[in-house]
Amino acid sequence: DVVMTQSPLSLPVTLGQPASISCRSSQSLVYSDGNTYLNWFQQRPGQSPRRLISGVSNRDSGVPDRFSGSGSGTDFTLKIRSVEAEDVGVYYCMQATHWPLTFGGGTRVEIK
Amino acid sequence: EVQLLESGGGLVQPGGSLRLSCAASGFTFTNSALNWVRQTPGKGLEWVSTISASGGSTYYLGSVEGRFTISRDSSKSTLYLQMNSLRADDTALYYCATAYSMDVWGKGTTVTVSS
Repeated sequence: DVVMTQSPLSLPVTLGQPASISCRSSQSLVYSDGNTYLNWFQQRPGQSPRRLISGVSNRDSGVPDRFSGSGSGTDFTLKIRSVEAEDVGVYYCMQATHWPLTFGGGTRVEIK
Repeated sequence: EVQLLESGGGLVQPGGSLRLSCAASGFTFTNSALNWVRQTPGKGLEWVSTISASGGSTYYLGSVEGRFTISRDSSKSTLYLQMNSLRADDTALYYCATAYSMDVWGKGTTVTVSS
């Protein structure tokens, strides 16, 4: 199975400051069709997960442009350009290239 | 608006069975793969099973293979998860989600396996 390793586990951030979350996979996430099926999700307290980004860097409709995704192969990053109070929650990466689908362990973003 | 509404969760004894349902609306049901994902209290997300848009292909987490069965009914726009031989470690909040990339999620239904 592909292991997804996120860091850090917890990320205290000052409002207005940037934040960066790393996600590393134990195998390349490039599929045979040339696409990389790496997605990012946000789970606010008490809510269901919400997809933010698909295919490494494609932001979902309605997702603020302060969120961006980047990376390739086995190394991926989610960045928040300027953290707002509503960004508090747990962020997960997930790979959909290989079966079984696997999630990272999550990164908790909190306000300092 | 795409909506997913899970139901069927509850308290069941070890070894028992439950069938979860996920009623879908707001999109063309037959065009989308569908998934079940679970989350244990205070823990992360774990993919459980996926069924292709046609229903012709199904995929399972190793620990549930042979015990859980995913299916879909296009006439009812509903996804199912039949769970047999339930174990304590199946206790979780179960979500359904659309597409292989899980673009929309329901609110979940809670399954508790305990004697």
